[in-house]
Amino acid sequence: DVKVTQSSRYLVKRTGEKVFLECVQDMDHENMFWYRQDPGLGLRLIYFSYDVKMKEKGDIPEGYSVSREKKERFSLILESASTNQTSMYLCASSRVGVYEQYFGPGTRLTVT
Amino acid sequence: DQQVKQNSPSLSVQEGRISILNCDYTNSMFDYFLWYKKYPAEGPTFLISISSIKDKNEDGRFTVFLNKSAKHLSLHIVPSQPGDSAVYFCAASGASGTYKYIFGTGTRLKVLA
Repeated sequence: DVKVTQSSRYLVKRTGEKVFLECVQDMDHENMFWYRQDPGLGLRLIYFSYDVKMKEKGDIPEGYSVSREKKERFSLILESASTNQTSMYLCASSRVGVYEQYFGPGTRLTVT
Repeated sequence: DQQVKQNSPSLSVQEGRISILNCDYTNSMFDYFLWYKKYPAEGPTFLISISSIKDKNEDGRFTVFLNKSAKHLSLHIVPSQPGDSAVYFCAASGASGTYKYIFGTGTRLKVLA
């Protein structure tokens, strides 16, 4: 069974703080993704990675960066958190050549 | 510009009846479509998919229909069960030559017992 885990379910941070969201998958998937989910906007892709140390911008990368030092781990970094980054953050992974993505449970981040 | 649209934010259906969830897209380069189901406090889970070379795919109670000329897909759930109550997202992929998705905004389905 594919498992994607995220380091925190709930997180509260202050404006200006540096925030790290961690994602780990245990199925040796090549592809990993970070999304945010907001009411009325669905899921929007922030960044994705096809391989270790590879990253590509998604649709809304501004204010975010990512790191993929190991195949199983994909980190999302908010360099200086702002209130408009309050959201549900979802990590996903998939095998190369396969469309189906497996999602983690999400991290609800509140920036005050 | 929203390339994938789910125009109904919510839908209520009686248990045992058919649920029909709709999704429209604008980019004719999309070649693969998926439906995901999401319960509160959980990540989305894959439900069913369809390639653009097909017009129908069936899996148990779930059937997805694709009308390429209308750029429209729909998910049929028959019969609907209370456990189907969730938010359903359609997603489209392939336009950029990658496996990344464009998601719709979601439809909240409530199945009434």
